[in-house]
Amino acid sequence: QVQLVQSGAEVKEPGASVKISCKASGYTFTTYYMHWVRQAPGQGLEWMGAINPTHGGTSYAQKFQGRVTMTRDTSTTTLYMELSSLRSEDTAVYYCAREAGEIAVAAKYFDYWGQGTLVTVSS
Amino acid sequence: QSALTQPASVSGSPGQSITISCTGTSSDVGYYNHVSWYQQQPGKAPKVMIYDVSNRPSGVSNRFSGSKSGNTASLSISGLQAEDEADYYCKSYTTSNTYVFGGGTKLTVL
Repeated sequence: QVQLVQSGAEVKEPGASVKISCKASGYTFTTYYMHWVRQAPGQGLEWMGAINPTHGGTSYAQKFQGRVTMTRDTSTTTLYMELSSLRSEDTAVYYCAREAGEIAVAAKYFDYWGQGTLVTVSS
Repeated sequence: QSALTQPASVSGSPGQSITISCTGTSSDVGYYNHVSWYQQQPGKAPKVMIYDVSNRPSGVSNRFSGSKSGNTASLSISGLQAEDEADYYCKSYTTSNTYVFGGGTKLTVL
């Protein structure tokens, strides 16, 4: 069965960086786009960007350009999302999510989600 | 890219039907049929309920249905049940090859 297991909660100071992992299993890792979505406390969902695990190509939301880096390790079927220059507004739960349909016929919706990783930015 | 517009809250009694709207622009909702809806229970990850405007994934109740007209998509739930109480989010693919979510709607079952 498909599983996306994320790393644990993080507490960071303003200005620092955070790197979250998402371990994928139960399917062929390189054949599905993966996305990152965040949710600030009491707020809505926000799309951050996506990665093609086949070759590592990425697409980021304009809001996060220059601050976010999404990578993957095909040997361990793990995705990573690093966010730099953290500020208090980055306090949120961060989710990885799989896009339904293999890359060649990507379905533009998310069928599996990780459990979420809480990142708290505070001095 | 601005968030899609959803009502902050809707409510209904058990057995009734409700509809949640999701308004975007001609660059997202109005351009593609790649509108999906997600249900989020407190403390849980979102779950897809509708994709490509009106398709239900396997396992989702047929009480959930979706539609679209112009720049506005809608999610309807018939025969409301207590378990439907949750936050609902629409999402659309955009002409910039990105995704945008709605602000979310809290559904209360009275």
